[in-house]
Amino acid sequence: GQQVMQIPQYQHVQEGEDFTTYCNSSTTLSNIQWYKQRPGGHPVFLIQLVKSGEVKKQKRLTFQFGEAKKNSSLHITATQTTDVGTYFCAYRPAGGGSNYKLTFGKGTLLTVNP
Amino acid sequence: GAVVSQHPSRVICKSGTSVKIECRSLDFQATTMFWYRQFPKQSLMLMATSNEGSKATYEQGVEKDKFLINHASLTLSTLTVTSAHPEDSSFYICSAELTSGGDEQFFGPGTRLTVL
Repeated sequence: GQQVMQIPQYQHVQEGEDFTTYCNSSTTLSNIQWYKQRPGGHPVFLIQLVKSGEVKKQKRLTFQFGEAKKNSSLHITATQTTDVGTYFCAYRPAGGGSNYKLTFGKGTLLTVNP
Repeated sequence: GAVVSQHPSRVICKSGTSVKIECRSLDFQATTMFWYRQFPKQSLMLMATSNEGSKATYEQGVEKDKFLINHASLTLSTLTVTSAHPEDSSFYICSAELTSGGDEQFFGPGTRLTVL
């Protein structure tokens, strides 16, 4: 079945530096979602990408879906201490049915040094 | 926005006891809810899909007699960890979708279970 590999596992940056996490799949994805989980908290939905080559922005966050729909990235410009947390990509097949579930990547833990 | 609550947020119990965790969709109806467990510094692992009015669908390796799921109404799903042991200690999180096949899942705040 499809597997989503997420790298890096950990990333420590100085406040103001940029940060990127990547998700790579061995097969074509129907869509990909990104979630953020603060320490001690629960995952919060950030965005879903569906189209090949899609790029979406949310303030300092930029999300990309590769042309082949096999990889995705989340880029944060000028990190702030409020960006601390674990960022997960997640995939779910379209159409529902028996494969009606999210599969999460292992996540990237971002820590920011003020 | 859609809100999912979980109760209790934290529970400590003795080995051999059973623990019930409730997951509620507060402002929407959820025909499907999902139960995850998360060990420290690890990803979320789907345990089962809870379907209102029918039996839950369990993931491979998850014992359905150990983790009882009941989804009796469109706003409530419960997970009961039966005869809990220390290795069951974990963070249990539920989620729900606004519509079948919806774009995002809304997660509850989670329940941290510690079995002594």
